[in-house]
Amino acid sequence: NAGVTQTPKFQVLKTGQSMTLQCAQDMNHNSMYWYRQDPGMGLRLIYYSASEGTTDKGEVPNGYNVSRLNKREFSLRLESAAPSQTSVYFCASIQNSNQPQHFGDGTRLSIL
Amino acid sequence: GEDVEQSLFLSVREGDSSVINCTYTDSSSTYLYWYKQEPGAGLQLLTYIFSNMDMKQDQRLTVLLNKKDKHLSLRIADTQTGDSAIYFCAESRGGGYNKLIFGAGTRLAVHP
Repeated sequence: NAGVTQTPKFQVLKTGQSMTLQCAQDMNHNSMYWYRQDPGMGLRLIYYSASEGTTDKGEVPNGYNVSRLNKREFSLRLESAAPSQTSVYFCASIQNSNQPQHFGDGTRLSIL
Repeated sequence: GEDVEQSLFLSVREGDSSVINCTYTDSSSTYLYWYKQEPGAGLQLLTYIFSNMDMKQDQRLTVLLNKKDKHLSLRIADTQTGDSAIYFCAESRGGGYNKLIFGAGTRLAVHP
């Protein structure tokens, strides 16, 4: 099983460019999440989707938008990238609230 | 992740036991998790414990939970070089979508 797949794995952007990070899961999970990981910090929740058709803000949503395209896919968009958004982005999913989250391998994003 | 605290670094000799500690703040957390992150990879779920348990053992891993002190620990017996990684503690805030609050991570270095 592929689990949670993120694309791309690496990306370099210039300030002001836009970018969409893709995430897909093949486990028929209901909820999906986007986190960012910065050095010396744990993961911080950007946005989540409790179920298909719904999205909600997490701790650090500013500068991001999301789309829950269908049950499998949850994308994260940076409309106008800023150097402060240089980070490693992780997507995760769960079947229901009593289950642990499954993580993708991350997208390493650098903004110059 | 400021509500979940971990020491940032631990160094142990191969074959010894490692104990990674974590304190959390929300007494209503339902689940507490330990994730492992190897360099350049995503987060791998190691184990988790339900809040009404005191201890959980899984092969070389032992999780101890002290709800009164809001203290969680992960003991790795017979630590191997392959255990070198960053270990994240996370608490589940529930709310129906399993929001996770992560600590900053403990980097475990295993030396011969």
